[in-house]
This record gives sequence, C-alpha cells and structure tokens, in this order.
Amino acid sequence: DSGVTQTPKHLITATGQRVTLRCSPRSGDLSVYWYQQSLDQGLQFLIQYYNGEERAKGNILERFSAQQFPDLHSELNLSSLELGDSALYFCASSAEVVGSGADYGYTFGSGTRLTVV
Amino acid sequence: AQTVTQSQPEMSVQEAETVTLSCTYDTSENNYYLFWYKQPPSRQMILVIRQEAYKQQNATENRFSVNFQKAAKSFSLKISDSQLGDTAMYFCAFMNRDDKIIFGKGTRLHILP
Repeated sequence: DSGVTQTPKHLITATGQRVTLRCSPRSGDLSVYWYQQSLDQGLQFLIQYYNGEERAKGNILERFSAQQFPDLHSELNLSSLELGDSALYFCASSAEVVGSGADYGYTFGSGTRLTVV
Repeated sequence: AQTVTQSQPEMSVQEAETVTLSCTYDTSENNYYLFWYKQPPSRQMILVIRQEAYKQQNATENRFSVNFQKAAKSFSLKISDSQLGDTAMYFCAFMNRDDKIIFGKGTRLHILP
C-alpha cells in the first residue's frame, strides 16, 4: 500500500456521461497530481494542486476539471465522455515542494481504470 | 520545455543478465531531479531509483544503479542480476523546480527464463 488511495479502481460508463474520480493523498502530502495513461502510452500530466490551490495545468481537456478539498483529498471530474477518454487515471502525491530533503518525488496510487463504451 | 527521451521501446534479456536502459533529457535548468519508475503488469507505478542533479555520485538501490552524465544529459538505468519480477515497463522521469514530473514514453523490458 503506497498510502495514496484512489477510488474507484474500475469504472465503466457510456459516452456522454460524467464521472468523478477520487484521490486521497499520502498522509502529510500537500500536493496532488493527476495523470492520464492511455493504452500502452506514457503518462500525460493533467493538473496539480497544492494545499487546495491549482498550481500547474498540463494537457487537460476543457471537459475535465479537478479540485482539492480542505482535507486535501482531490477529485477529477470528467464530463461528456468520449471513447478516447478510456484510460488509466493516476493520482500521485508528494510532500513539500522541491528542496524538502530526501523524500522528493511522487507516490502513486494504484489508478482508476476508466472504460467508456 | 523539458523533454525526456527513451530510445528503446522494448528490450529482452535472459534472467541473471545485466541490462541497461537508456534515457536522455533536455533542460536549461541546473538543479533538477531524475527518476526511474517501474510499471509491472499490475499497472502500479513504483519508484525504482532517484538522483539529484547536484550530486555527482550515482545513485544505487540494491540491484539497480544509474549512470548519470549531467553534461551529456543522460540518465541510464542498470539492472544487475535481472530477475523475472523485473519484467515491466520502465519510465524515466524528470522534475525541476516547479515540482512537475515529466515522463518519457517508456521501455518495455522482458526478462526471459
């Protein structure tokens, strides 16, 4: 168990629908990151939150949105789903920003596999 | 913009052999961090090893070691005495001051019995 919890593990939904993916970061981590991994592809950065605030945005579609709540858990909302949105969605968390010491880098959750049919 | 390039899409080696996975990156930063992540068939992302750019000494973690060449912007991963459990996708990754990790496209490694 990495300490980062993602729910649900699997999700099957129809095109045009909306889903919410949830992530609880490792205890003490303030930053949450969302990545999308399509079949046999690398990880594409979507968005980062730090202590409730959006910090960086990557290749995130306008149909997608995210937020981080006061208890630091985060949700990724995907709407008007298309077949091409089928992917593995990872959440990762990290401690303080770069420079905090030996514990740098991300801890990943086990991912949510989204299938759009 | 920073980029990470893994030139070997797929590799296969016999069990117990040593294998080296290549990675190059491009950045204008002087201080940054480099990582190798492993993604086995379970799809979990597992941190294998990490390196701080300002440290000249190459990082090692048991059978895993890196060859970090800062001037050449090269960060290769060496796996010694490879085991069947090392079969996985390996991603090289870069992180700079903005704390965002950029991943390469990965190298699929097969360890053959």
